[in-house]
Amino acid sequence: DQQVKQNSPSLSVQEGRISILNCDYTNSMFDYFLWYKKYPAEGPTFLISISSIKDKNEDGRFTVFLNKSAKHLSLHIVPSQPGDSAVYFCAAPVLSGSARQLTFGSGTQLTVLP
Amino acid sequence: DAGITQSPRYKITETGRQVTLMCHQTWSHSYMFWYRQDLGHGLRLIYYSAAADITDKGEVPDGYVVSRSKTENFPLTLESATRSQTSVYFCASSEGSGYTFGSGTRLTVV
Repeated sequence: DQQVKQNSPSLSVQEGRISILNCDYTNSMFDYFLWYKKYPAEGPTFLISISSIKDKNEDGRFTVFLNKSAKHLSLHIVPSQPGDSAVYFCAAPVLSGSARQLTFGSGTQLTVLP
Repeated sequence: DAGITQSPRYKITETGRQVTLMCHQTWSHSYMFWYRQDLGHGLRLIYYSAAADITDKGEVPDGYVVSRSKTENFPLTLESATRSQTSVYFCASSEGSGYTFGSGTRLTVV
């Protein structure tokens, strides 16, 4: 069973508008969440993270919101730019054995239209 | 160059062949991981390693073998490739809560 779920495989947004990417999780023990961005033919790159003791973290145009009671987080991109077109993955560390493994959602393809 | 490199970038192999994907990192990170990316599944963990000579299975380990004789290298071997192993494979390393990924290997099994 996927512990981190992204239910929207794709999202299209006009340049300059807000992009909102959603992620739900099932494991209430998660203490940290990350968003990764992936361009075609490249590996995922870290974008932004949030600790479970916070409900918001902001970095420039990117803000992540965490709603623990709903087990939901969202990534807001304002304003959206064509260069933001990529696949976005949310992820959370799972402690297993000696390692904290990241478990990923299935990703959302964001397309920002000029 | 510092970083994490994967080779080859692209590989086509036949069903039943053995194939090895290479991963090399220059940071001496303790942890290394292999993921596969498939449409609709996101990134799924195949194997990981906490240090040299310490490896463990992830979510989808069947049909794969790993080794870690040196901290900087973490090769992934498909012992007898199947069409279901056609995928994009990503190696990652970590020394904390975040990962750094390689550029990936696109493997096609025909």
